[in-house]
Amino acid sequence: SAVISQKPSRDICQRGTSLTIQCQVDSQVTMMFWYRQQPGQSLTLIATANQGSEATYESGFVIDKFPISRPNLTFSTLTVSNMSPEDSSIYLCSVRAGGGPQETQYFGPGTRLLVL
Amino acid sequence: AQSVSQHNHHVILSEAASLELGCNYSYGGTVNLFWYVQYPGQHLQLLLKYFSGDPLVKGIKGFEAEFIKSKFSFNLRKPSVQWSDTAEYFCAVNKGSSNTGKLIFGQGTTLQVKP
Repeated sequence: SAVISQKPSRDICQRGTSLTIQCQVDSQVTMMFWYRQQPGQSLTLIATANQGSEATYESGFVIDKFPISRPNLTFSTLTVSNMSPEDSSIYLCSVRAGGGPQETQYFGPGTRLLVL
Repeated sequence: AQSVSQHNHHVILSEAASLELGCNYSYGGTVNLFWYVQYPGQHLQLLLKYFSGDPLVKGIKGFEAEFIKSKFSFNLRKPSVQWSDTAEYFCAVNKGSSNTGKLIFGQGTTLQVKP
């Protein structure tokens, strides 16, 4: 398994500002993912961040809005830029761990963001 | 587009009742299937998973799920629920035998167990 921590756990931000969320894993992992869970909805994948390459964004998400860094195999950041109230959501970091074709995906505790 | 559907948004049961939460997916190829649980105030945890082999998989806390390929379903079951099972349950699917595809989630089912 993998133990994932995120900072901050929650924040209240003003419209137009940016917030960087940090994700730290207790072991080296190749694949890291960032998800969004909007109020009352399911999890939506924002992007996949592999170390040594640029993040791959899902349809509807762009790098200018959600820049991602992946400097090493245990750490990643997601920035929510130029925030609006529609960005209020829980942002989750996730990793694949366990090795082999039956690797399992684990999730961090999430960062609860409220944009005013 | 590939999708995952959970039929029940909100389920209310009394303790000791049996539970079955439906999950259907739309992808026709090889899939890997998962159920995650999110207890109040806690983060997502893996409940059980299916990659191949016996279509009836057992997970933690007495949960099990059955993969029925012909029905594109992976329903979650528990014979007797407890108050501590109150949580949100998510079905998730990724496609491909290499298990490198993205994980797609259903809408989630909120389970409330009355003591």
